[in-house]
Amino acid sequence: AQKITQTQPGMFVQEKEAVTLDCTYDTSDQSYGLFWYKQPSSGEMIFLIYQGSYDEQNATEGRYSLNFQKARKSANLVISASQLGDSAMYFCAMREGDTGGFKTIFGAGTRLFVKA
Amino acid sequence: EADIYQTPRYLVIGTGKKITLECSQTMGHDKMYWYQQDPGMELHLIHYSYGVNSTEKGDLSSESTVSRIRTEHFPLTLESARPSHTSQYLCASSAGTGGWINEQFFGPGTRLTVL
Repeated sequence: AQKITQTQPGMFVQEKEAVTLDCTYDTSDQSYGLFWYKQPSSGEMIFLIYQGSYDEQNATEGRYSLNFQKARKSANLVISASQLGDSAMYFCAMREGDTGGFKTIFGAGTRLFVKA
Repeated sequence: EADIYQTPRYLVIGTGKKITLECSQTMGHDKMYWYQQDPGMELHLIHYSYGVNSTEKGDLSSESTVSRIRTEHFPLTLESARPSHTSQYLCASSAGTGGWINEQFFGPGTRLTVL
């Protein structure tokens, strides 16, 4: 079974508008962490934001926020005020604390296109 | 800023050659990882290490091998390259303290093409 599901292979957003990238996860662990990474066309992976399973507040980092809904097992990334430089692949990832042994599992990614 | 380096960045090589992809980090991280990624696709963990002299195979079967003789160095070797090995290889590291919440820092990747 897929542990991380990103159902949007590609997304378009107008510059300066907000966009939500979906991510659902599957785990039976109580302790886990959720991560979002950005991968530009140059290939490097850039860490964006992190949410712990016990965190009660949604994580925010500048224009990035994570909409964490634990009961629904979703961890959507919200990018506010999109910029042309946000065009990239975005990966949702999870590390399971109880059974994962520090391994990080990645979703298939969503390619975001920001239009001028 | 993360300090993790990979060389070479690009490699085109013929079938049957032995190659070593280098990965080094200067952050003193205990944990290091190798991922394989086809263009525009998800990352697959092929090897990881918890520390010196500790290596494990990842979720994706790979014909490559790794070693961890020094904390900062985690090279990946292909004894006999084949066209099916053509892919991007990403190295990453994470701190040992703080448990599982530590994010991974990635190197710039090596794009390997085997002819």
